[in-house]
Amino acid sequence: GAVVSQHPSWVICKSGTSVKIECRSLDFQATTMFWYRQFPKQSLMLMATSNEGSKATYEQGVEKDKFLINHASLTLSTLTVTSAHPEDSSFYICSAPGAGRGYEQYFGPGTRLTVT
Amino acid sequence: QKEVEQNSGPLSVPEGAIASLNCTYSDRGSQSFFWYRQYSGKSPELIMFIYSNGDKEDGRFTAQLNKASQYVSLLIRDSQPSDSATYLCAVTTSGTYKYIFGTGTRLKVLA
Repeated sequence: GAVVSQHPSWVICKSGTSVKIECRSLDFQATTMFWYRQFPKQSLMLMATSNEGSKATYEQGVEKDKFLINHASLTLSTLTVTSAHPEDSSFYICSAPGAGRGYEQYFGPGTRLTVT
Repeated sequence: QKEVEQNSGPLSVPEGAIASLNCTYSDRGSQSFFWYRQYSGKSPELIMFIYSNGDKEDGRFTAQLNKASQYVSLLIRDSQPSDSATYLCAVTTSGTYKYIFGTGTRLKVLA
């Protein structure tokens, strides 16, 4: 299967600061990547679809000015949480589609964000 | 609103038994169905996907799809303690990678 990496794996930041999370496809190109957020004991919620060379598409209720997404190349998408607050503390996971016809997605290992 | 439902569990089965996990979905336009396994604190790992009615087998895992009844299930044969995890069902509609996830079923395999 396709390999997706994320960096950092965990981060602690102070309230009001910004944090950038990177998502890379290691052995394939991804014109589309997805960003999810998962709170404890809940399922994954899609935040936005990242599109290489164009603007991201955000899901309803997700603030695009707070969660900045940049898909700078065919292998890299970044999510920046701006002016983070404790309620932004969560597990952020990116994914990229596989090359098969089954529309499968491959997930990165996730980034645990804690805002103090 | 498109929904995917799973029993949250926990579903407890003895080691060596068959674990049966179920998922129902509301959108009849759904076309591809996925099962992911997620260990605590980790990201989801793809187990298998199915898009045609019937059964699909991969090792100890069998996915079953019934579009008329709008459910998809996952059978795990010879369950092992290492299979203890949360199993997520995900569904996409035609021509899109956009997933709708169920809430997941927590499976406990007792040694």
